[in-house]
Amino acid sequence: DAGVIQSPRHEVTEMGQEVTLRCKPISGHNSLFWYRQTMMRGLELLIYFNNNVPIDDSGMPEDRFSAKMPNASFSTLKIQPSEPRDSAVYFCASSPRLDPYNEQFFGPGTRLTVL
Amino acid sequence: AQSVAQPEDQVNVAEGNPLTVKCTYSVSGNPYLFWYVQYPNRGLQFLLKYITGDNLVKGSYGFEAEFNKSQTSFHLKKPSALVSDSALYFCAVRESYQLTFGKGTKLSVIP
Repeated sequence: DAGVIQSPRHEVTEMGQEVTLRCKPISGHNSLFWYRQTMMRGLELLIYFNNNVPIDDSGMPEDRFSAKMPNASFSTLKIQPSEPRDSAVYFCASSPRLDPYNEQFFGPGTRLTVL
Repeated sequence: AQSVAQPEDQVNVAEGNPLTVKCTYSVSGNPYLFWYVQYPNRGLQFLLKYITGDNLVKGSYGFEAEFNKSQTSFHLKKPSALVSDSALYFCAVRESYQLTFGKGTKLSVIP
C-alpha cells in the first residue's frame, strides 16, 4: 500500500494567491482528516470527513479555508486568499473507520510558505 | 473537553540507557490513548495505543507505554535507547471522534 499521498510536498506562494493542497487517502479508509502543524500551536485538527461527508469543520480558522472530498479517494484543502500566517505544514490523515480506537495514518505533509 | 499534556519539551538520554517520555491526559469518559513519532520532514507514524485491557502496551520499534488511570498518565518507555530513536514524540487522546495531540517532546539520544 502506498500510504496517504499528499501533493505538493512544498508550496511557496505570495500573499493573496489561492493555494490548493491535495490528499489521496489509503484505499478502503472511510475517514479523512486535515491537520495543520506550526511551532507555536502544534498540531491542530482543521476538519474531518466520514464517507466523503464533512463531519466537523470547527477547526477551520477562517472562511478563507475550505475543504472538499468529492470522492473516496481524493480531498482538497483550499486557502483563498492566502496570508503569511497560513505558513505551516499541512497533514492529511486517514483511518479505516470513524471510531475512537482506530489509529490514523498520516501523509508526509505539505510545507506551505506564504510570502 | 479532552486534553493532553507533555511536560517536557526535550528529553536527552544516552544511547543504551532506558528512556521515558511523559504524558498526562484529561477526559470525561474512557480514554483512548496513542503515541506517534515524527522524524524530520516526515508525517506522524503510529507507535502504539491503549484502548482497554492490560495497562502495559507494547508497540513498534521496542517501545511500550504504561497506562495509569489513577495518575491519568500514559508514559512512553523503552528499555534501551538507540540513536535512531531521536525524533519528536506526540501523545494523543481520543474520547470521541477527535484526536487531540500534545505539544510534542523532542527526544535526543546521545551516542
